[in-house]
Amino acid sequence: DSGVTQTPKHLITATGQRVTLRCSPRSGDLSVYWYQQSLDQGLQFLIQYYNGEERAKGNILERFSAQQFPDLHSELNLSSLELGDSALYFCASSVDGDSSYEQYFGPGTRLTVT
Amino acid sequence: AQSVSQHNHHVILSEAASLELGCNYSYGGTVNLFWYVQYPGQHLQLLLKYFSGDPLVKGIKGFEAEFIKSKFSFNLRKPSVQWSDTAEYFCAVNAGGYQKVTFGTGTKLQVIP
Repeated sequence: DSGVTQTPKHLITATGQRVTLRCSPRSGDLSVYWYQQSLDQGLQFLIQYYNGEERAKGNILERFSAQQFPDLHSELNLSSLELGDSALYFCASSVDGDSSYEQYFGPGTRLTVT
Repeated sequence: AQSVSQHNHHVILSEAASLELGCNYSYGGTVNLFWYVQYPGQHLQLLLKYFSGDPLVKGIKGFEAEFIKSKFSFNLRKPSVQWSDTAEYFCAVNAGGYQKVTFGTGTKLQVIP
């Protein structure tokens, strides 16, 4: 157990819908990262938040957005869902905003878009 | 932009065989390098990392990796694999500081008893 929690574990929804994925970092970690893992693309970095502020952005679509709240949990919002958005979404946390620090990964949320 | 290549997508070995998983990165400056492992049904976890100093890095569970700057490589090795090493292995690179970490596409290792 890494100490990072993600809910829900599984999510099945239809195209065009909107979903919210939630992540709670390890106690004391200030930074949260979101990744998308699909069969053909591997593990893709989406976005990083540090202490409530966006720190780095990766290959995140405009239909996707994220935020980190004062209690440091984070949410990833996916809207206008398409079949291709089906993937495992991982959250990771680290103690600092410097991504040289070890990242601790959550168990992931498996999203299926039908 | 930094990128990472893992050339072996799927490797099958018998127990006690030696392992070497390739990882090459492209980035002209100073880098931090990582290997993460994902055991079946579990979350990704750090195996080892290189920041500076001795290019031969030792990690958990008998794994090691060697950073060869001239070859832009950071290959993962283990002299004798066990069935419990069956997992997916990810190489990752970070240009330091507040730069993002870029992961390779992963190598699935299957160890046959």
